[in-house]
Amino acid sequence: SYELTQPPSVSVSPGQTATIACSGDDLGHRYTSWYQQKSGQSPVLVIFQDTKRPSGIPERFSGSNSGNTATLTISGTQAVDEGDYYCQAWDSTTAVVFGGGTKLTVL
Amino acid sequence: QVQLQESGPGLVKPSQTLALTCAVSGASISGGDYWTWIRQHPGKGLEWIGYIYKSANTFYNPSLRSRIAMSIDTSKNQFSLTLDSVTAADTAIYYCARDPSRAGRGQFDFWGQGKLVTVSS
Repeated sequence: SYELTQPPSVSVSPGQTATIACSGDDLGHRYTSWYQQKSGQSPVLVIFQDTKRPSGIPERFSGSNSGNTATLTISGTQAVDEGDYYCQAWDSTTAVVFGGGTKLTVL
Repeated sequence: QVQLQESGPGLVKPSQTLALTCAVSGASISGGDYWTWIRQHPGKGLEWIGYIYKSANTFYNPSLRSRIAMSIDTSKNQFSLTLDSVTAADTAIYYCARDPSRAGRGQFDFWGQGKLVTVSS
């Protein structure tokens, strides 16, 4: 079955750039989406089709995808960006797959 | 603005059937979107359950396929999930979500608030 791997945690100082990686076999040839989930809330789509931002998502969120790794980048990270981040892709046998999630801490 | 709202029992006994409904507003359930169920075990990550598309087309997570059924009620603009023979491992928050992507490959732009379902006797 297809799997996506994320680091369990990432820490960043306020104002700095946070980078969250998501790895999977040949991931660069699959569209990747990213979701932010704050404690006790439903997930929110922050990036889709590798690089696109939904309406209302701040410009500091960006995405890239190449080779076996997709990356979510948050520039000028703010305290409000703390939460869990999940990558997601699609595979023909496993269908929709989520990564295990990365806890972003802003300290 | 699309809104989704899950409803159903919060407690189900082992071996029984879990049944949830998602009421949709702001979008037609008969349109071109993929209506999806996703669950999250307590303190864990997200697990895709499956989708229903245009009333008749469904695609389920292979690991759950034998126990799942999804349906659409166009008159009420809602869709439903049943999960048979539940065990404690099915205790989770169940979310419904919309996927507007071309082939239902995941792009969940609107989510319900989630329904905690506990399996316990």
